[in-house]
Amino acid sequence: AQSVSQHNHHVILSEAASLELGCNYSYGGTVNLFWYVQYPGQHLQLLLKYFSGDPLVKGIKGFEAEFIKSKFSFNLRKPSVQWSDTAEYFCAGPGTGRRALTFGSGTRLQVQP
Amino acid sequence: DTGVSQNPRHKITKRGQNVTFRCDPISEHNRLYWYRQTLGQGPEFLTYFQNEAQLEKSRLLSDRFSAERPKGSFSTLEIQRTEQGDSAMYLCASSSLLSDTQHGEQYFGPGTRLTVT
Repeated sequence: AQSVSQHNHHVILSEAASLELGCNYSYGGTVNLFWYVQYPGQHLQLLLKYFSGDPLVKGIKGFEAEFIKSKFSFNLRKPSVQWSDTAEYFCAGPGTGRRALTFGSGTRLQVQP
Repeated sequence: DTGVSQNPRHKITKRGQNVTFRCDPISEHNRLYWYRQTLGQGPEFLTYFQNEAQLEKSRLLSDRFSAERPKGSFSTLEIQRTEQGDSAMYLCASSSLLSDTQHGEQYFGPGTRLTVT
């Protein structure tokens, strides 16, 4: 079955630390991958997406992700986190249906000032 | 605000009652999705509409669940004979038409939090 898995469930960092959140997917065919973010009390927002082309994609707020086909990975990175990055982060990819997305279980990031 | 809107934002109901949620997608989006999110999990797909046609339904969508999008604009999700296990956040998302080979990015609403007592 097609699936997306996130390795880290809860990450605590100090401000200015570097961030890398893991995401692995398991399916073939066209690969469209997304990272969504959910700030406290807010709705899910798209952070960045990969459809094709350059495997290093840049998103909003200084986030980037690298698609590594050989490792079935799409890890999210940020060189220096801020307190305002405290949120829950979800990796997503195509589901078993034609249009549905399948989401990972999420990583809760807590940035301490 | 031109984003996806959902009403109500919160719903508390007693077990056995019926509830209905509404979603208004971004106006130019012809694709609409419903997801369910429980605590500590990512959203789980429930159903998908392209215009007024319901093209996909998840196995999670039991017979007690029904969704409609009668005019291809807003959508409703009804849960009949609610159970405590239905307590969750119900999310609606919309997207615009892209090529058939691509999953377009989806824009999410704030969700309706359902609590069944």
